[in-house]
Amino acid sequence: GDSVTQMEGPVTLSEEAFLTINCTYTATGYPSLFWYVQYPGEGLQLLLKATKADDKGSNKGFEATYRKETTSFHLEKGSVQVSDSAVYFCALITGAGGTSYGKLTFGQGTILTVHP
Amino acid sequence: NAGVTQTPKFQVLKTGQSMTLQCAQDMNHNSMYWYRQDPGMGLRLIYYSASEGTTDKGEVPNGYNVSRLNKREFSLRLESAAPSQTSVYFCASSTLPGTSGSSYEQYFGPGTRLTVT
Repeated sequence: GDSVTQMEGPVTLSEEAFLTINCTYTATGYPSLFWYVQYPGEGLQLLLKATKADDKGSNKGFEATYRKETTSFHLEKGSVQVSDSAVYFCALITGAGGTSYGKLTFGQGTILTVHP
Repeated sequence: NAGVTQTPKFQVLKTGQSMTLQCAQDMNHNSMYWYRQDPGMGLRLIYYSASEGTTDKGEVPNGYNVSRLNKREFSLRLESAAPSQTSVYFCASSTLPGTSGSSYEQYFGPGTRLTVT
């Protein structure tokens, strides 16, 4: 079945540091890929997405590129802020032909803490 | 436009008690989902409803039932709560996957934190 593997956390950084959170996946069909963010005490919000190979999703200074050859969708930000402290989830959804058609499959989440 | 709303926000149950978690969306979405979130395990799909009138099991359906009351509302019922059901429950909605213009994006409610003692 489909699966998503994220780098183990927690990740602790100083403000203005560079962030990478690794995400790799296995899927049948042609998945769309997502990064969701969960701030303390809240539900999940879509951060960015990419729907086909080589697409780059970007939002709020975060970027991730859909790499079909390495089955990866790593999240990056050049300069993190304290307000970026949250839990980040990588996820995929397979389109027609996939075994998990229409259903999101999540990674286990990575806790990010940014100190001033 | 409230998006996805869930009630209650917090609940404590004793083992064996029953309760229903309510979810409603005002985005005219066809598909709705119930997830549970446990530490270190991400979100796992309990049940989903691809469209009004249909429901299907997800990854972890045991101990739960659902009702798609109408297009807006999708409830999750615990008939006999167990400590293993202590978790945070999220409802989500989306356009029907595979339909023209569907972005597959799911919109999440704020969650219900349930403790079963």
